[in-house]
Amino acid sequence: KNEVEQSPQNLTAQEGEFITINCSYSVGISALHWLQQHPGGGIVSLFMLSSGKKKHGRLIATINIQEKHSSLHITASHPRDSAVYICAADLLGSRLTFGEGTQLTVNP
Amino acid sequence: DAGVTQSPTHLIKTRGQHVTLRCSPISGHKSVSWYQQVLGQGPQFIFQYYEKEERGRGNFPDRFSARQFPNYSSELNVNALLLGDSALYLCASSTPGQSSGNTIYFGEGSWLTVV
Repeated sequence: KNEVEQSPQNLTAQEGEFITINCSYSVGISALHWLQQHPGGGIVSLFMLSSGKKKHGRLIATINIQEKHSSLHITASHPRDSAVYICAADLLGSRLTFGEGTQLTVNP
Repeated sequence: DAGVTQSPTHLIKTRGQHVTLRCSPISGHKSVSWYQQVLGQGPQFIFQYYEKEERGRGNFPDRFSARQFPNYSSELNVNALLLGDSALYLCASSTPGQSSGNTIYFGEGSWLTVV
């Protein structure tokens, strides 16, 4: 069993839909990162969470430390949101452990 | 300010050869981490360096080694390349201090193909 698991693996949505990607982890963490990766390979950090909720534009990330669960929400999705979204657990002072990623495709 | 820069961006090597990948962190960042991402999978942790010392090592064979220089740039070396080493190699740097709990910035990666 992976230490960090994401669901779904693939997600197709119509433009304007509300999207949720889930992440569960089984280890103690100091923070949880949500990352976006485009086909060229570069990774952009979207959020770093240690508690509660963060919002940036149409993106919202939440984390429940007790349940070891985090969600990434995209409101009013757009085709330019199409990418791989990855959650990564920041282990205590050491390293990131990544989920397998969620391939999101938003159709116009 | 420049972001995290990696070189080369793409390279092709033959089995058994050696490769050196380079990473320059964001100015002021003292922590550099290396990750391997095989196509279709999430990245896997290889090494973390902080203040020129190794602070963490993932489950990779001894063919993989790395170092960090006084200017905090880093090199990842892989010896005796295997076909399975073909992957995107990502470098990440983080804000001053240890990586834990800090925003992390990634380079564009080095695409390695072993033939």
